[in-house]
Amino acid sequence: DAKTTQPNSMESNEEEPVHLPCNHSTISGTDYIHWYRQLPSQGPEYVIHGLTSNVNNRMASLAIAEDRKSSTLILHRATLRDAAVYYCILDRDDKIIFGKGTRLHILP
Amino acid sequence: SAVISQKPSRDICQRGTSLTIQCQVDSQVTMMFWYRQQPGQSLTLIATANQGSEATYESGFVIDKFPISRPNLTFSTLTVSNMSPEDSSIYLCSVWGVTGKPYEQYFGPGTRLTVT
Repeated sequence: DAKTTQPNSMESNEEEPVHLPCNHSTISGTDYIHWYRQLPSQGPEYVIHGLTSNVNNRMASLAIAEDRKSSTLILHRATLRDAAVYYCILDRDDKIIFGKGTRLHILP
Repeated sequence: SAVISQKPSRDICQRGTSLTIQCQVDSQVTMMFWYRQQPGQSLTLIATANQGSEATYESGFVIDKFPISRPNLTFSTLTVSNMSPEDSSIYLCSVWGVTGKPYEQYFGPGTRLTVT
């Protein structure tokens, strides 16, 4: 399975930007980079995905390194509702395999 | 998006018995998956439910323990057989290939299983 490495946990202050890093040094040319998050007591939900170019949507931005060996999920203005476990995942063989993710704590 | 429902939402079962979990999607989807999430852990993929054929299991999971059916493009079942306390987990159904959202995977609310 394609492996990603994320910090176990991070903290951020409310209403400030959050940068969640992910390393994926073994990424192959056709692997998409996906981010999902899991709010407490809920199933995971899609956040964003990308291949080579940076991506923006209403939830977040995804910055992908030029060599594609790392990426960063950016929450532009964190709220308390963004407290969740964030998973960085490489899509290979049309399967989403979850790693341990980063638990994001938002401080009021 | 896709709306996914699971039944039951939770159950408490005796060891040695079996439980069948149902997953219903409100639209036809290409791929359906079953995951489990043990307490405090990340999600583990059990298998891909293939429509009209046998499911594809991940390493460490076998058909005798987790038989799966997928009779059509909107419905699947997962059975947890001969349960032991180690099977206590949340079991989640997931789908991929929703019309207009080909890259987003959607997850059901989960079935919380406790085996005593």
